[in-house]
Amino acid sequence: SAVISQKPSRDICQRGTSLTIQCQVDSQVTMMFWYRQQPGQSLTLIATANQGSEATYESGFVIDKFPISRPNLTFSTLTVSNMSPEDSSIYLCSVLVSYNEQFFGPGTRLTVL
Amino acid sequence: GESVGLHLPTLSVQEGDNSIINCAYSNSASDYFIWYKQESGKGPQFIIDIRSNMDKRQGQRVTVLLNKTVKHLSLQIAATQPGDSAVYFCAELQNAGNMLTFGGGTRLMVKP
Repeated sequence: SAVISQKPSRDICQRGTSLTIQCQVDSQVTMMFWYRQQPGQSLTLIATANQGSEATYESGFVIDKFPISRPNLTFSTLTVSNMSPEDSSIYLCSVLVSYNEQFFGPGTRLTVL
Repeated sequence: GESVGLHLPTLSVQEGDNSIINCAYSNSASDYFIWYKQESGKGPQFIIDIRSNMDKRQGQRVTVLLNKTVKHLSLQIAATQPGDSAVYFCAELQNAGNMLTFGGGTRLMVKP
């Protein structure tokens, strides 16, 4: 298994500002992912965080809006840039431990006013 | 806590009864399916999985059924307990990549 922590756990931000969310894993993992969960909705994959190279973004998500860093095998950050109220969501980090074991962090609850 | 499942379909059951949560998946090429449980204020937690070459798998108090003909997945929880109250998501994985695609989710409410 993997123990995943995220910082901050929640935040309330003003529109137009940016927030960087950190994800720390207690072991080295190859695959790390960032998901968004809008209020009352399911999870949507934002991107795969690649160590040593640019993240791979899913359709509808772009690097300028959601820049991602992955400096090593245990850490990643997701920035939500130039925020608007529509960005209010839970942002979740997840890691793939083996082919079929994907673990999720506790999430960061973002509210944009 | 956070109302993750505020707008999701809700299944309400009496404590001790069996629960059945259904999910329709989208991709016939998916070869692996997982059920996750998400409690309020937490990230999704793995419950049980099943490969596409199986039609049934049992765990402790939970059973997953897979019907590939109609692309349908179900989670059965026996003797449902108040601690089972959560939002349940199915997810599918294709062997072409490591990315999960999540279904819409169902909120399970257990009445004592």
